[in-house]
Amino acid sequence: SAVISQKPSRDICQRGTSLTIQCQVDSQVTMMFWYRQQPGQSLTLIATANQGSEATYESGFVIDKFPISRPNLTFSTLTVSNMSPEDSSIYLCSVPTAANTGELFFGEGSRLTVL
Amino acid sequence: AQSVTQPDIHITVSEGASLELRCNYSYGATPYLFWYVQSPGQGLQLLLKYFSGDTLVQGIKGFEAEFKRSQSSFNLRKPSVHWSDAAEYFCAESDSWGKLQFGAGTQVVVTP
Repeated sequence: SAVISQKPSRDICQRGTSLTIQCQVDSQVTMMFWYRQQPGQSLTLIATANQGSEATYESGFVIDKFPISRPNLTFSTLTVSNMSPEDSSIYLCSVPTAANTGELFFGEGSRLTVL
Repeated sequence: AQSVTQPDIHITVSEGASLELRCNYSYGATPYLFWYVQSPGQGLQLLLKYFSGDTLVQGIKGFEAEFKRSQSSFNLRKPSVHWSDAAEYFCAESDSWGKLQFGAGTQVVVTP
């Protein structure tokens, strides 16, 4: 199993500001996934972060709004830019447990509230 | 397109009673299916998974799920719920690229 640490665990942010969420994994992984869970909603995949290449974004998500870094095989960051109240969500980092089966380990998430 | 349906948004069950959560999937002849649980203030935890083989899958915390290809279903069951089972439960399916598609979730409330 993988241990995933996310920072911050929660934050309250002002409209128009940006916040960077960090995800640290205790083992090397090729792919890391960033999900969003809006209040009362299910999880939606934002993007896939591969080390050494640009992140791949899902429909409805763009790099300007959610820039992602992946400097090495154990670390990734997601920035939520120019935040609005609609960005209030839990953001979760996850890593696969086995190749191409979809089974994932999840971090505990970063709960952002935008005022 | 891939989709996962959880028809029940909210279920209330008495402690000690049985629980069944419904899930229908739409993708693939050989789907990879999962049930995750999210307790208040905690991250997602995998309860069980189905890749192939025996259609009745045993998971952690006394949960099981049955894969029924004819009904495109993967329902989660527990014979006797405990107060600690109160949580949000998500059914999910993986596509061939390893991405998870989640259902909308079912909130389970356990009453004394």
